[in-house]
Amino acid sequence: GDSVTQMEGPVTLSEEAFLTINCTYTATGYPSLFWYVQYPGEGLQLLLKATKADDKGSNKGFEATYRKETTSFHLEKGSVQVSDSAVYFCAPGSGNTGKLIFGQGTTLQVKP
Amino acid sequence: DAGVIQSPRHEVTEMGQEVTLRCKPISGHNSLFWYRQTMMRGLELLIYFNNNVPIDDSGMPEDRFSAKMPNASFSTLKIQPSEPRDSAVYFCASSLRGAGSEQYFGPGTRLTVT
Repeated sequence: GDSVTQMEGPVTLSEEAFLTINCTYTATGYPSLFWYVQYPGEGLQLLLKATKADDKGSNKGFEATYRKETTSFHLEKGSVQVSDSAVYFCAPGSGNTGKLIFGQGTTLQVKP
Repeated sequence: DAGVIQSPRHEVTEMGQEVTLRCKPISGHNSLFWYRQTMMRGLELLIYFNNNVPIDDSGMPEDRFSAKMPNASFSTLKIQPSEPRDSAVYFCASSLRGAGSEQYFGPGTRLTVT
């Protein structure tokens, strides 16, 4: 069945460090791919998306590229801030159902 | 747009009581999802609706849980009777149906069953 694997956290970085959170998936067809972010005490928010191979989604300095050949959608940011501390979820779509398959989430802690 | 609205934001109840969680999706969206989030199990999809019709309820943990969507602008998730292990944050999300559609989440209802 469809599944997603994210790197385990927590990931602890100093402010202005480079961030990578790995995400790989298995899915039928060519799903849309999403990254969501959850700040403490809040619901999930869409961070970025990509809908086809080689697309790059970007938002708030975060980027992720749809890599069909490696079935990956790694999240990157060149310089993290304390305010980026949150839980990040990778979520491929599941076939044509409209469902999303959520990973277990990766906690990012950024220290000043 | 006000986004997805959930109520109540917090609910504390005693074991055995009935609990009803409410959700108003974004106007114009025709898919609605109920999730449960716990530290142990992460984010779990409980049930989802397309055009007010339940499509997949395989994630509903047991018969104590039921969900309805009487119209396009309202859905409920009911737990009867509630148990301490039901304590979690329950999220509602909505989307425009389609494989490429992102889901928009509400703020969640934090349920505590004592």
